Amino acid sequence: GESVGLHLPTLSVQEGDNSIINCAYSNSASDYFIWYKQESGKGPQFIIDIRSNMDKRQGQRVTVLLNKTVKHLSLQIAATQPGDSAVYFCAEISGGSNYKLTFGKGTLLTVNP
Amino acid sequence: NAGVTQTPKFQVLKTGQSMTLQCAQDMNHNSMYWYRQDPGMGLRLIYYSASEGTTDKGEVPNGYNVSRLNKREFSLRLESAAPSQTSVYFCASRPYRDSRYEQYFGPGTRLTVT
Repeated sequence: GESVGLHLPTLSVQEGDNSIINCAYSNSASDYFIWYKQESGKGPQFIIDIRSNMDKRQGQRVTVLLNKTVKHLSLQIAATQPGDSAVYFCAEISGGSNYKLTFGKGTLLTVNP
Repeated sequence: NAGVTQTPKFQVLKTGQSMTLQCAQDMNHNSMYWYRQDPGMGLRLIYYSASEGTTDKGEVPNGYNVSRLNKREFSLRLESAAPSQTSVYFCASRPYRDSRYEQYFGPGTRLTVT
């Protein structure tokens, strides 16, 4: 079956730098994507979402970009802070069902002071 | 609002024992979900309940059963635990809201089966 995947399993950045976390998806029928943040020992926390009819969506210090041509999704975090250290997952609506999300394996972001 | 709560936080079982993981949400959400998370892997859906009174299998349902007790509560039962079920289990819920599909997660239950 089709699944969501991630390019990089780990990313290390300096505090204050911008971070970019990438995600590739293979289901061309997917029309909704979400980024989650998971801190150690906690459940995933919703960050931002984007629909397939959009190319870009901005939140507070975060921007999600969607490139449907190459089936690529990215999460940009501006002025990365130590509190941003976590695992980041992208997820998509799968199989034509509006109820089920398919998650990627995650990228570990480490922010160095 | 407490959000999504899960009990217990930690549990150790012996092979063959049974237990029920509890989940409750106080956000009046319609849909609820159970996932497992293994090291180095994303979350995999075990079962879900799109609305009160309905349950459906997810990606990895074998060895589990669920009950949607009411709108607030969705429990996951392991009838005969196996070491392969050692994992972190997350419950999630989702409101009924057009065009929005984000799920809200509980803090997880860390289960070890020896």
